Amino acid sequence: KQEVTQIPAALSVPEGENLVLNCSFTDSAIYNLQWFRQDPGKGLTSLLLIQSSQREQTSGRLNASLDKSSGRSTLYIAASQPGDSATYLCAAHKLSFGAGTTVTVRA
Amino acid sequence: KAGVTQTPRYLIKTRGQQVTLSCSPISGHRSVSWYQQTPGQGLQFLFEYFSETQRNKGNFPGRFSGRQFSNSRSEMNVSTLELGDSALYLCASSLSSSGQGLDEQFFGPGTRLTVL
Repeated sequence: KQEVTQIPAALSVPEGENLVLNCSFTDSAIYNLQWFRQDPGKGLTSLLLIQSSQREQTSGRLNASLDKSSGRSTLYIAASQPGDSATYLCAAHKLSFGAGTTVTVRA
Repeated sequence: KAGVTQTPRYLIKTRGQQVTLSCSPISGHRSVSWYQQTPGQGLQFLFEYFSETQRNKGNFPGRFSGRQFSNSRSEMNVSTLELGDSALYLCASSLSSSGQGLDEQFFGPGTRLTVL
């Protein structure tokens, strides 16, 4: 069974700092990995999907990398803004989501 | 293109009652997955339906059931509600021609269920 871990559980940074969010998974035989953002009490918003054949995916200030051999994915958010404050979750399978990292960007 | 919709958005029920939640996927998406989210347990997979058939199932008791209609809309039912069923119930849709791995999923806004 695929286990997904996100460390740290929470992170607080000053505005303008780059964010680095980690996602670890136990089974390297994944098909894709998806990153989501969730605001309190809301549904999940898809940020990036990395295909298993890709090493990274970029969208605006967001960049996600995938290293299947080490079982890790990293989400980078450049020049963080207060509006980036949210919980970020990764999923390596429909059944396997991480618990998320809650990010607070201080103005 | 309309996103995933869920109804109702909020529900208050009492213990012992039953509840039905509805999810309409993005047009063209044939897979619908349901999740329960609570502060203590995080996001937990309930089940997935594809072409009106349950394709995957999580570790939830039989009180939790679902179905999918020919237009891909899905319903989830919880019978004999317990206090611990209070949660945000989320559904997600994807194209999903294969049951393996992870197609890009799109989530609805969720239904907040409170059991008193």
